[in-house]
Amino acid sequence: DAKTTQPPSMDCAEGRAANLPCNHSTISGNEYVYWYRQIHSQGPQYIIHGLKNNETNEMASLIITEDRKSSTLILPHATLRDTAVYYCIVRLETDSWGKLQFGAGTQVVVTP
Amino acid sequence: NAGVTQTPKFQVLKTGQSMTLQCAQDMNHEYMSWYRQDPGMGLRLIHYSVGAGITDQGEVPNGYNVSRSTTEDFPLRLLSAAPSQTSVYFCASRPGLAGGSTDTQYFGPGTRLTVL
Repeated sequence: DAKTTQPPSMDCAEGRAANLPCNHSTISGNEYVYWYRQIHSQGPQYIIHGLKNNETNEMASLIITEDRKSSTLILPHATLRDTAVYYCIVRLETDSWGKLQFGAGTQVVVTP
Repeated sequence: NAGVTQTPKFQVLKTGQSMTLQCAQDMNHEYMSWYRQDPGMGLRLIHYSVGAGITDQGEVPNGYNVSRSTTEDFPLRLLSAAPSQTSVYFCASRPGLAGGSTDTQYFGPGTRLTVL
């Protein structure tokens, strides 16, 4: 699986959009970009994933650059409950082993 | 559904002791995994299973054994606990090769293990 690079931390004001960057310059053509988050003392939680096109669900939006070497997770209206570590992962969707190679992630702190 | 459950939530062991961390899921998922998370670090894969009777090693398998006799259960055994195994352990499950939006892992709440 391709490796990813994320900033170690970022702050965001409550109610504002949080834009979390991720670099994955060695991503291969059939690898997807996944985002998970981990709220303190809880297990990781799936957020969103995509291949080429931008994706949106009830939690977030995922913007993938045309060359696929980087992506941005957008939390449109951050709340205090969004304070968590956010992990960007690239992997094959059909990885039959269910493996997720987590890195260090980005610690996001949402402030009132 | 209860989702993925883990027991115990907390455990303290002495060096050399053995124990089993329990993991169960009621979603009929084929795939299950064990991860460990050390302070300030991401998760590392210990062992995984793609179905009953099938297991394989992950990134950091030494000192741990697993078995998968049923679809629901995936216990993790520490053979002879060492202080380096002090960590938080997460169990996860996911459906089989369904692809699409169902291709996500569901994590348990974790077991916090301290080895003295």
